[in-house]
Amino acid sequence: AQSVSQHNHHVILSEAASLELGCNYSYGGTVNLFWYVQYPGQHLQLLLKYFSGDPLVKGIKGFEAEFIKSKFSFNLRKPSVQWSDTAEYFCALRANQAGTALIFGKGTTLSVSS
Amino acid sequence: NAGVTQTPKFRILKIGQSMTLQCTQDMNHNYMYWYRQDPGMGLKLIYYSVGAGITDKGEVPNGYNVSRSTTEDFPLRLELAAPSQTSVYFCASTREAQETQYFGPGTRLLVL
Repeated sequence: AQSVSQHNHHVILSEAASLELGCNYSYGGTVNLFWYVQYPGQHLQLLLKYFSGDPLVKGIKGFEAEFIKSKFSFNLRKPSVQWSDTAEYFCALRANQAGTALIFGKGTTLSVSS
Repeated sequence: NAGVTQTPKFRILKIGQSMTLQCTQDMNHNYMYWYRQDPGMGLKLIYYSVGAGITDKGEVPNGYNVSRSTTEDFPLRLELAAPSQTSVYFCASTREAQETQYFGPGTRLLVL
């Protein structure tokens, strides 16, 4: 069965601090990986995605993630967070089969203080 | 394009009542999904559809029904509301299974 684990439930940072949110998945085949962000009171928006190719993917707002196949990981990073990054972050995977939906992690709440 | 729209934004139901959550997309997407989001639990798939007339169960389908009579619309029906169905419901769509899913703004449902 496919699953996604996000290790950090709640992360609290000061502005300009560096961010790394962990995401590990369980699936033996080819996967597509995603990070979604949900700002307070808003719907989910795609931050970035990995389908194939360069394992270091860059997304919007200065976020990036690295796919490490040997570790089944897809950690999200940002070198310097801003107060506006306060949100909930979800890692998700899709097994590379037609018709399959996303499997989400439980989410990580990021609180950034100014 | 409006993208994925959902109505209502918020609803309070009494136990045993029924209601339909509406979802419409104007991107001509084949695939549509319904998820529920519970605090600390991430999103879980309720039902999905790969095209008009075709629907299938997801991880948590009990207590829900769906239909897909058109490409644009994918309503979610609750027949006998229960407190366990208190949640935030998100509809999503994608053109093909291997592409990015686009989410609607969500419907917050409270069952008392």
